[in-house]
Amino acid sequence: GQSLEQPSEVTAVEGAIVQINCTYQTSGFYGLSWYQQHDGGAPTFLSYNALDGLEETGRFSSFLSRSDSYGYLLLQELQMKDSASYFCAVRNDYKLSFGAGTTVTVRA
Amino acid sequence: DAGVIQSPRHEVTEMGQEVTLRCKPISGHNSLFWYRQTMMRGLELLIYFNNNVPIDDSGMPEDRFSAKMPNASFSTLKIQPSEPRDSAVYFCASRSERTRANEKLFFGSGTQLSVL
Repeated sequence: GQSLEQPSEVTAVEGAIVQINCTYQTSGFYGLSWYQQHDGGAPTFLSYNALDGLEETGRFSSFLSRSDSYGYLLLQELQMKDSASYFCAVRNDYKLSFGAGTTVTVRA
Repeated sequence: DAGVIQSPRHEVTEMGQEVTLRCKPISGHNSLFWYRQTMMRGLELLIYFNNNVPIDDSGMPEDRFSAKMPNASFSTLKIQPSEPRDSAVYFCASRSERTRANEKLFFGSGTQLSVL
């Protein structure tokens, strides 16, 4: 099976930087994804790392270390609209298994 | 494209009733997933279809749950009989396994199910 650990909550002010860590245990690892979900909404894809290193997409970056079974999502220049839940997910063949999610609250 | 379309958006029913949730995946996507989301258990994979064939239904909680995909553009998730513990948000998601961007899962808006 798969297991993922990520912090349950993070609070920060507008303009700040937030890092959400994710550690995982799985067999047959393909890659690590990140999804964002606003209250009452659907999860939406943010990023995917199959190889070690940093992937940057605008204000968001994602990092993976396969040897450490560890990754993180970096949110920069936080905006109020970034208040949401963020899920890491491991892909094992066809299956995508999600962590419990990190609720990010951005304060003015 | 309109994205993954689910109906109904909300469903309120009484215990013991049959519930049918519907999903239209993105055209051209050949993988379809049903997930359930609750506060206690998070996002759980219920069943996975590839090219309309159920590949993995190990996440289906019990025999009261069944899913079908009669063609590439339609899937249903049925609960019969429904119980209060089935109350959750049910998401349908699709993905194309044929493109290089096959890591991206597209979710529908979900069905909020309340069983009284």
